[in-house]
Amino acid sequence: EDQVTQSPEALRLQEGESSSLNCSYTVSGLRGLFWYRQDPGKGPEFLFTLYSAGEEKEKERLKATLTKKESFLHITAPKPEDSATYLCAVGGSSNTGKLIFGQGTTLQVKP
Amino acid sequence: EPEVTQTPSHQVTQMGQEVILRCVPISNHLYFYWYRQILGQKVEFLVSFYNNEISEKSEIFDDQFSVERPDGSNFTLKIRSTKLEDSAMYFCASSDHSGNTIYFGEGSWLTVV
Repeated sequence: EDQVTQSPEALRLQEGESSSLNCSYTVSGLRGLFWYRQDPGKGPEFLFTLYSAGEEKEKERLKATLTKKESFLHITAPKPEDSATYLCAVGGSSNTGKLIFGQGTTLQVKP
Repeated sequence: EPEVTQTPSHQVTQMGQEVILRCVPISNHLYFYWYRQILGQKVEFLVSFYNNEISEKSEIFDDQFSVERPDGSNFTLKIRSTKLEDSAMYFCASSDHSGNTIYFGEGSWLTVV
């Protein structure tokens, strides 16, 4: 069964304090590993899709990396506006586009 | 930037009533989805829709649920007889032919009383 586990559940950082969020997954045939940002009461906002081990993608202060079992979302010098819940999801081997989500990591960045 | 739009943003309904949630996917997208998120829980897949038919559905998507693309732009989720446990945020999503980028709407918050 496809499964996604994210850690930590919650993370508090001071502004400028870099850190990483972890996403561990098991899937039968990875079609893609997706990262989303979700603000309270809002829909998931697309950040990245990674497809194969060793791949990296960057957007502003965020960098996502992928191995065969994990993905990391590195946040460099975060700002308070980076505070949100970050969701990881996997697309499995079925070509229907179904995503399996983790429970998310809630990031709070204090000024 | 193109976006998925959903209506209503919030609906309160009595248990046993029918509810229709509406979505306008991104215009050139071919794959459409519904997900839901119960408060404090994970985002859960309900159904995917392609070429005017359901391509996959989850165990949650039982006979009380149905989807339809009544015209070239709208995509709807109907819950025939709502239950208290249907209270959740329902997200519509869409993707292009590659399925590599799946965009979500802002959600419709359904409260069943």
